[in-house]
Amino acid sequence: AQSVTQLGSHVSVSEGALVLLRCNYSSSVPPYLFWYVQYPNQGLQLLLKYTSAATLVKGINGFEAEFKKSETSFHLTKPSAHMSDAAEYFCAVSLSNDYKLSFGAGTTVTVRA
Amino acid sequence: EAEVAQSPRYKITEKSQAVAFWCDPISGHATLYWYRQILGQGPELLVQFQDESVVDDSQLPKDRFSAERLKGVDSTLKIQPAELGDSAMYLCASSLGAESSYNEQFFGPGTRLTVL
Repeated sequence: AQSVTQLGSHVSVSEGALVLLRCNYSSSVPPYLFWYVQYPNQGLQLLLKYTSAATLVKGINGFEAEFKKSETSFHLTKPSAHMSDAAEYFCAVSLSNDYKLSFGAGTTVTVRA
Repeated sequence: EAEVAQSPRYKITEKSQAVAFWCDPISGHATLYWYRQILGQGPELLVQFQDESVVDDSQLPKDRFSAERLKGVDSTLKIQPAELGDSAMYLCASSLGAESSYNEQFFGPGTRLTVL
């Protein structure tokens, strides 16, 4: 069984500051890892995914994440926050053999002007 | 760009009433998922279809919830009777399925259910 832990349910950053969202996973086999963003009353949009290729993954809207097997982590970063980044972010894990996604509890990002 | 469609977007109902949600996946996507997202939590899988067959409904409360995908295309999720604790966002997602090298799921906008 796999699971995801997102550290920090709320993150507040200033516009232009670094955004760092933490995600740790547990999995018995090499996982696939995902970050999704959700704006209020909308569905989830895929930001980026790790599928056993490059460990540093670049996604949309300037986000990137690094897979660190030794730390079982997949933290999401963006060098400079924009007001439009205010949303809820979910980390998810999937095993290659069953395609089911297990989501973390989410981290809400607020951006201060 | 192809999208997953869901309706209605919002539904308010009273306890003990029946409700139904509809989902139309991206054309050609064999796998369809229904998730429930309680406010402040991540989505939780309720049921997964491969074409018209259910492959996982282990988390579906079968005494009151049912799901079908009769022709392997669109799907309906029903709750009867609705309870206060069913208030949540119901998300539908689809993916190519086993043919793809990884499981990229595409999500619809969701149906927000409020049970009074």
